[in-house]
Amino acid sequence: EPEVTQTPSHQVTQMGQEVILRCVPISNHLYFYWYRQILGQKVEFLVSFYNNEISEKSEIFDDQFSVERPDGSNFTLKIRSTKLEDSAMYFCASSLNSRRTGNNEQFFGPGTRLTVL
Amino acid sequence: KNQVEQSPQSLIILEGKNCTLQCNYTVSPFSNLRWYKQDTGRGPVSLTIMTFSENTKSNGRYTATLDADTKQSSLHITASQLSDSASYICVVSLDQTGANNLFFGTGTRLTVIP
Repeated sequence: EPEVTQTPSHQVTQMGQEVILRCVPISNHLYFYWYRQILGQKVEFLVSFYNNEISEKSEIFDDQFSVERPDGSNFTLKIRSTKLEDSAMYFCASSLNSRRTGNNEQFFGPGTRLTVL
Repeated sequence: KNQVEQSPQSLIILEGKNCTLQCNYTVSPFSNLRWYKQDTGRGPVSLTIMTFSENTKSNGRYTATLDADTKQSSLHITASQLSDSASYICVVSLDQTGANNLFFGTGTRLTVIP
């Protein structure tokens, strides 16, 4: 069964460093998402991406964050200068389509645990 | 404001017992409601999905109910197993295409003990 994959599973970095989190969405999906979950808190939406551009972003997704689909398979989240409060699980998700009556279920990857020291 | 609230925050039950988790939401316009199971350190996995017209949906030992009038949902777990220990998250979708349309609850942390 196709699934969303993410690498690395755990990333440790020093404050101020850049990190790139990678995701491979399900191959025929068209919509891609990043979420984060700070330990003990709810999952929070960061950004959605369609047709090679951001379709929506939350207030969390500031200038330090960027997303890219560099090739036909990968979807990346870059944090330019990490802060301590960026420590969290980052989940990638993808969905097939956006039809209101269609299957817009988002399938989640296993997550990347980012630890900023 | 679109919100999803869950209760209890955590729950400990004996193996073999049943339990019920609650979810209240204010998301509008409503599209569907899903219950996810999230094992520690893993991504959420969908258990059930219900649209406005559905009152109940089962998936093995999991049974979800939905009252769209009161905007409440429950997840009932029958004959719990140790592997049911996880966080259970209620997620409500806006009737909105493309961009973010999911609102997550804080989850209920279920621990099943032998």
